[in-house]
Amino acid sequence: DVKVTQSSRYLVKRTGEKVFLECVQDMDHENMFWYRQDPGLGLRLIYFSYDVKMKEKGDIPEGYSVSREKKERFSLILESASTNQTSMYLCASSLYGQGAGGGYTFGSGTRLTVV
Amino acid sequence: QKEVEQDPGPLSVPEGAIVSLNCTYSNSAFQYFMWYRQYSRKGPELLMYTYSSGNKEDGRFTAQVDKSSKYISLFIRDSQPSDSATYLCAMGSDFGNEKLTFGTGTRLTIIP
Repeated sequence: DVKVTQSSRYLVKRTGEKVFLECVQDMDHENMFWYRQDPGLGLRLIYFSYDVKMKEKGDIPEGYSVSREKKERFSLILESASTNQTSMYLCASSLYGQGAGGGYTFGSGTRLTVV
Repeated sequence: QKEVEQDPGPLSVPEGAIVSLNCTYSNSAFQYFMWYRQYSRKGPELLMYTYSSGNKEDGRFTAQVDKSSKYISLFIRDSQPSDSATYLCAMGSDFGNEKLTFGTGTRLTIIP
């Protein structure tokens, strides 16, 4: 089974801090995604990546950046955390060319609270 | 109007009942239709996957796609308390477009 591992389950950070959320997958998937999930709003795509060093903006990229230096690792960076970035963050991966057809594998999520 | 509409619920049904969960969509390019199950404080997991129109059955779960009506359904037979979760529909278009579009999820509780 593909495993997508997110480094932290729960995180509490202060306003203005730079925050790193890490995601690692172990099945050589090309595609990796970062979503946030909020009640009533569902899953919203922040950034995604088709390959190493490639990234594309999703629907809500403002206030976030990403890094993909290795195929298995996709990092989400909150440049200056704000309270409205308190959310559940989900990482996902999929095979290129089957992304929509093969479905995503999600990590367990990181619940981030910004105080 | 959202591309994918899903009633958020919550939906509560007694154990053993048949559950029907639904999504409607507006983008006729969608070809792949999925249902994900998400337990509390966990990530979504792929439950059912269907390509184009038709039905797919897997144990107690049946997924239906009606592309002419732009309507998809998930049926759960003999529902169990362990089925209590949030169910998200997801849709995608052609290969090469790697992004899925998700519904907001329906929260389901099975009452023992």
